[in-house]
Amino acid sequence: QTVVTQEPSLTVSPGGTVTLTCASSTGAVTSGYYPNWFQQKPGQAPRALIYSTTNKHSWTPARFSGSLLGGKAALTLSGVQPEDEAEYYCLLYYGGAWVFGGGTTLTVL
Amino acid sequence: EVQLVESGGGLVQPGGSLRLSCAASGFTFRSYWMHWVRQVPGKGLEWVSRINSDGTSTTYADSVKVRFTISRDNAENTLFLQMSSLRAEDTAVYYCIRGGEGNSYGAWGYWGQGTLVTVSS
Repeated sequence: QTVVTQEPSLTVSPGGTVTLTCASSTGAVTSGYYPNWFQQKPGQAPRALIYSTTNKHSWTPARFSGSLLGGKAALTLSGVQPEDEAEYYCLLYYGGAWVFGGGTTLTVL
Repeated sequence: EVQLVESGGGLVQPGGSLRLSCAASGFTFRSYWMHWVRQVPGKGLEWVSRINSDGTSTTYADSVKVRFTISRDNAENTLFLQMSSLRAEDTAVYYCIRGGEGNSYGAWGYWGQGTLVTVSS
């Protein structure tokens, strides 16, 4: 069974920078896994942030960026705002099936 | 404006069936692959199923294979999820998502607000 692993929780100060990662149990994550990133706040549906590793949606704030880092997909937030406190999920494509990571709780403190 | 509106959730007994619908608007529905994802309240997201643009190809998570069937009506711009042999562990909020345009790996851009399915006696 394929497992996608994210940091369970991270804390960042307002204005700081933080990187969330997304690893695959099958090996290094590449662009062929078409990583997507989502943000979810309590009581809301998830909101798409990043697709195909680095691409932003029209509504994605500029402070969010996606990349590949050390064999993992990564989401970097630069100049973190209090409203970025949320759960973040990555999603990887396995040739017909998709698997979500367990999510990272980001605390802005 | 892209909109996805799920409906059909509710309380159902173990072993029962339920059909979810997702009404799509604001885009050319027949051009996009579509997905269902679920989330147990307070827990993470689980991909459930996907269907290609014309409805001829589907895939499922192992946890729902054989029990759930995804389908679509491109004339009515509606996505469906037929759920049968429901179990307590199927209790979750079910989301409809717009996937890639004409391909399986495209951007997941839009989510519905979700519909809650509760399986309990």
